[in-house]
Amino acid sequence: AQSVSQHNHHVILSEAASLELGCNYSYGGTVNLFWYVQYPGQHLQLLLKYFSGDPLVKGIKGFEAEFIKSKFSFNLRKPSVQWSDTAEYFCAVNAGYGGSQGNLIFGKGTKLSVKP
Amino acid sequence: SQTIHQWPATLVQPVGSPLSLECTVEGTSNPNLYWYRQAAGRGLQLLFYSVGIGQISSEVPQNLSASRPQDRQFILSSKKLLLSDSGFYLCAWSGGLAGHTDTQYFGPGTRLTVL
Repeated sequence: AQSVSQHNHHVILSEAASLELGCNYSYGGTVNLFWYVQYPGQHLQLLLKYFSGDPLVKGIKGFEAEFIKSKFSFNLRKPSVQWSDTAEYFCAVNAGYGGSQGNLIFGKGTKLSVKP
Repeated sequence: SQTIHQWPATLVQPVGSPLSLECTVEGTSNPNLYWYRQAAGRGLQLLFYSVGIGQISSEVPQNLSASRPQDRQFILSSKKLLLSDSGFYLCAWSGGLAGHTDTQYFGPGTRLTVL
């Protein structure tokens, strides 16, 4: 069965620090990869996604993620975080084929707290 | 543009009472629809998904059920709530053209507390 691991439960950074949140998945075939973000009091929203093509994906608000197939990883990065990036971040994976299979599997989430 | 609504936003129910949470999607047709439960530190767990009216697949056996009486309406129900049903319930939709590999978009959620 597919699984998704997010290495850090809670990350605390100061503003302007660089961010990297780890995400590893277990599935040997083609995958679609997502990062979702949940800001305090708001609903879950898509940050970025990878389906195919360039493994370096750019998302909203200056975030990017790199798909490294050999490492089964899809780490999220941002060069300089802001206080407004305080949120919970979820990595998600599903198998890259259509039909009724391939449901989205989520990691347990990483809380990011940015100190002003 | 597409929007997804959930209600109620919060709900407090006694153990043993029934439950009905509703989710509706606007601006799209024949979406795939999903119910998730989010527990602190445990991420999101898929409960049910539906690829069409009357078609429900259950991912996790429990005392909850789901129904899809209309194309853009998805309902989560229980006949008798348990304490363990407390949590944050999220509805999501995807375009359906690529099956579940399409991007999923989430509603605002319902916070359920069972006392």
